[in-house]
Amino acid sequence: DSGVTQTPKHLITATGQRVTLRCSPRSGDLSVYWYQQSLDQGLQFLIQYYNGEERAKGNILERFSAQQFPDLHSELNLSSLELGDSALYFCASSVAASGSSYEQYFGPGTRLTVT
Amino acid sequence: QKEVEQDPGPLSVPEGAIVSLNCTYSNSAFQYFMWYRQYSRKGPELLMYTYSSGNKEDGRFTAQVDKSSKYISLFIRDSQPSDSATYLCAMSGVGANNLFFGTGTRLTVIP
Repeated sequence: DSGVTQTPKHLITATGQRVTLRCSPRSGDLSVYWYQQSLDQGLQFLIQYYNGEERAKGNILERFSAQQFPDLHSELNLSSLELGDSALYFCASSVAASGSSYEQYFGPGTRLTVT
Repeated sequence: QKEVEQDPGPLSVPEGAIVSLNCTYSNSAFQYFMWYRQYSRKGPELLMYTYSSGNKEDGRFTAQVDKSSKYISLFIRDSQPSDSATYLCAMSGVGANNLFFGTGTRLTVIP
């Protein structure tokens, strides 16, 4: 168990809808990262937050947004969902903002299915 | 061209075999090299990380980095059925904020 928790485990929704995925980092970790894992693309970095502030952006669509709250949990909001958004979404956490960001600990993921 | 390339396999080996998993990369700024293990329907788990070139050993696992060839390897000795998983390589630059992952190699160790 990595200490990173994610809810829900599974989510099934229809195209055009909006969903929110939640992540709680390991105790003491200030950075939260969101990744998308699909069969053909592998793990793709979406966005990073450090202590409440956005630190880095990857291949995140404009329909997606995230935030990190004062208690350090983070939420990833996905809107106007399309079939192609079906994937596993992982949250990871690390102690630092960068430098030691290689030591990331992943949660169990949320499996999103868009029908 | 992807920044990190990894043969997706699948790879099947008998129990006790030595397994070699490899990745190549194109970005010479990468300095941190990681191997993650991902069991089915689970999140990736950090196995090992190496800074710059060289070897690192941890039990049955050895990670090697050859920066001149932009090539990294993970060796698993005396492989066990419990090693059956997908192995992901990942890389990062100094001061970087995110990891670049390979697509993963699915390994099955047959008892």
